[in-house]
Amino acid sequence: DTAVSQTPKYLVTQMGNDKSIKCEQNLGHDTMYWYKQDSKKFLKIMFSYNNKELIINETVPNRFSPKSPDKAHLNLHINSLELGDSAVYFCASSPPSARGAWVYEQYFGPGTRLTVT
Amino acid sequence: AQTVTQSQPEMSVQEAETVTLSCTYDTSESDYYLFWYKQPPSRQMILVIRQEAYKQQNATENRFSVNFQKAAKSFSLKISDSQLGDAAMYFCAYRSPPLQGGSEKLVFGKGTKLTVNP
Repeated sequence: DTAVSQTPKYLVTQMGNDKSIKCEQNLGHDTMYWYKQDSKKFLKIMFSYNNKELIINETVPNRFSPKSPDKAHLNLHINSLELGDSAVYFCASSPPSARGAWVYEQYFGPGTRLTVT
Repeated sequence: AQTVTQSQPEMSVQEAETVTLSCTYDTSESDYYLFWYKQPPSRQMILVIRQEAYKQQNATENRFSVNFQKAAKSFSLKISDSQLGDAAMYFCAYRSPPLQGGSEKLVFGKGTKLTVNP
């Protein structure tokens, strides 16, 4: 059973196009994330949502718009794609944490390799 | 802002030998969590081990153990009896203490590529 799934796994498109990446988790988690891994393998947070509410937005260009229709889904829409958007995008999820509770790991999806030509 | 530094871009080890991957971090918080993630060529991010900062005892998971030095802000990963399947990118990650009703991001180091030689 796939815990965190992403579609598509590979995406090749031209500059200027608009594309979406979908993410779904079947773990019952409240929190979901998008991370970007660049060509040098550096991973950085982009967004996080908690129960469909945007919590973290790490100064990502507004061409990137996350959308969470329900707490099991967090999609990433990218407008006017640029060469620099080429990367691997990871979705992740985790249960909510609270002081005194066990820390929960983040479960990652398989990643989507986006190539902009 | 918190930062995580992995000073070894690449490491290699002979099969069955032991290797240690370094990680240091910078934070002003006293309570936090640290993780090591493994990323094999399949690209999947896999949690290897985690450590709560308030725990003095070093975490261990089978052949994987950490040396957590809170005062020095150091969190190294030791892999014993290395296997060919251990070959991967290893990322050290920092996570702030949980916020009530919020979500917490991971701050990653730049990774160490581990090669295991037969």
